[in-house]
Amino acid sequence: DADVTQTPRNRITKTGKRIMLECSQTKGHDRMYWYRQDPGLGLRLIYYSFDVKDINKGEISDGYSVSRQAQAKFSLSLESAIPNQTALYFCATSGQDSYEQYFGPGTRLTVT
Amino acid sequence: GEDVEQSLFLSVREGDSSVINCTYTDSSSTYLYWYKQEPGAGLQLLTYIFSNMDMKQDQRLTVLLNKKDKHLSLRIADTQTGDSAIYFCAEIPQNTGFQKLVFGTGTRLLVSP
Repeated sequence: DADVTQTPRNRITKTGKRIMLECSQTKGHDRMYWYRQDPGLGLRLIYYSFDVKDINKGEISDGYSVSRQAQAKFSLSLESAIPNQTALYFCATSGQDSYEQYFGPGTRLTVT
Repeated sequence: GEDVEQSLFLSVREGDSSVINCTYTDSSSTYLYWYKQEPGAGLQLLTYIFSNMDMKQDQRLTVLLNKKDKHLSLRIADTQTGDSAIYFCAEIPQNTGFQKLVFGTGTRLLVSP
């Protein structure tokens, strides 16, 4: 089984809809991250959490919110989706003493 | 702010060497990383180098670090078609409190038979 899983893997939604992307990990890591990937822009950090009670904005948090339901779960919400949020979204985890990040397989989100 | 820069695309023939270049932003970054993204998959750590090193070799991979110029490169010897992927360099800058990875734009490597 994969260590970092994301659901759904693909999603098409309409402008204005609320959508939640979920991430679960079995690595026992404290730190979790949400990134979006756009062609030619690399990965940009949306939010990150260093433990269950710690939530921090990344460089592009506008239009997004997150919830750290448990050590193993970190969800990303788009309250009112817009077309420029069409992207590939990745969740990642890392241990407290390591900067190596482990990535999920990604969620491809299309907002029409 | 400054970006971690990479060329977007590199094409090589199977058996040749590939060199992927990266210019990073913060000379105080302690670790620098190369991640590989295969089609339809997430990123996977390929290798990393500590900032007090100028070279690291790991089988077919050679990482070179020039701290003065803030330049990082990844050389893949005897490139295979299975090496076709997007390669990202990443740093952990001081202005993030050394807490967050900042990724480059990614270089798409295409290996032709």
